[in-house]
Amino acid sequence: GQQLNQSPQSMFIQEGEDVSMNCTSSSIFNTWLWYKQDPGEGPVLLIALYKAGELTSNGRLTAQFGITRKDSFLNISASIPSDVGIYFCAGQTILADGLTFGKGTHLIIQP
Amino acid sequence: EAQVTQNPRYLITVTGKKLTVTCSQNMNHEYMSWYRQDPGLGLRQIYYSMNVEVTDKGDVPEGYKVSRKEKRNFPLILESPSPNQTSLYFCASSLTGVSDEQFFGPGTRLTVL
Repeated sequence: GQQLNQSPQSMFIQEGEDVSMNCTSSSIFNTWLWYKQDPGEGPVLLIALYKAGELTSNGRLTAQFGITRKDSFLNISASIPSDVGIYFCAGQTILADGLTFGKGTHLIIQP
Repeated sequence: EAQVTQNPRYLITVTGKKLTVTCSQNMNHEYMSWYRQDPGLGLRQIYYSMNVEVTDKGDVPEGYKVSRKEKRNFPLILESPSPNQTSLYFCASSLTGVSDEQFFGPGTRLTVL
């Protein structure tokens, strides 16, 4: 299957700091998705991106679909305690109806 | 309430004893999928279904079976479970495909001894 490289693996930050994480792949994707998973729950969709170069915001979250279609980033501004969790990127290629997930970024916020 | 339900939520079993994890959604979604989540590996897709009687392999289908006889149900079957199938399993559904928002179930934690 396809592989997505997500980084960083974990982040320890102070409340109020901005956060940035990204995903890269050797394959071209036609859809990039960003999910968040809270402890003990299933992932929840944060942002969906469908076009190369697309920049989309959802409150304090901003994500971009890379021009090469092989990468995407997610930024969180002014982090708050409820931002704690695991963030996953996910992508769908042109050739398949399946979805490939990155390995996740653990976000830990120190008060 | 729109939701995806999975049963059981927790299961401990022994090697070789057939088991089924049920998944049901009440949103009339066409697309349903199963994932497993393992530490350090993220979520990996096992099988997915675009509609009734249409199923396809994901990235890690070995040792699993699925069926889609009705739109709302998508059971995951382990004919002969092995310890390497110990994992956290999630069922998900979306309106037409993965590019739509997928709604995830609460997860099933399976331990195979």
